[in-house]
Amino acid sequence: KAGVTQTPRYLIKTRGQQVTLSCSPISGHRSVSWYQQTPGQGLQFLFEYFSETQRNKGNFPGRFSGRQFSNSRSEMNVSTLELGDSALYLCASTAGGLGETQYFGPGTRLLVL
Amino acid sequence: GNSVTQMEGPVTLSEEAFLTINCTYTATGYPSLFWYVQYPGEGLQLLLKATKADDKGSNKGFEATYRKETTSFHLEKGSVQVSDSAVYFCALHEGSNYKLTFGKGTLLTVNP
Repeated sequence: KAGVTQTPRYLIKTRGQQVTLSCSPISGHRSVSWYQQTPGQGLQFLFEYFSETQRNKGNFPGRFSGRQFSNSRSEMNVSTLELGDSALYLCASTAGGLGETQYFGPGTRLLVL
Repeated sequence: GNSVTQMEGPVTLSEEAFLTINCTYTATGYPSLFWYVQYPGEGLQLLLKATKADDKGSNKGFEATYRKETTSFHLEKGSVQVSDSAVYFCALHEGSNYKLTFGKGTLLTVNP
């Protein structure tokens, strides 16, 4: 089975721009979660989607948003980029039940200049 | 709220040495516990997990036992290899949300 894929792998943007990242879960998985990884804050949960509905949201400003499509693929969007948004953005997928193992993609590394 | 505390790194060992990375947690109920590993330039891979007290997770020579009395889930390996060099994350899941709570990560470097 193919793993979780994320595109693009690397991205460079400037302050004030917006960015959209994409995540395709493992085939058959209906839940996608997003995490931000930075050296200072570590891994922080952004949000989780299941069947096109957001079930959980972390403590991030409204500039961070996401959505999920009917084929379970998910996108996250960051508007009005700030320097502090530079990070590795990871997505993970599960079948959708509580406590299931999350399988992570390789991440998208975003650099904001 | 839930939290995970890992030993500060970096940890540097010689090949074939014994490894312990300490992990303790705070949770109100009965969490599931995980160890993930991140190799340079890659995402996270599940290393092992345990879902209830006294469970032992094991994989690739790594082991961790879920100790509810000490709220710990320490990672051990009897003989590390250079290829084990990576960042190791302890994590927990609890309750009716769908998120993992991670520790800060511990960088392990194994020298030949």
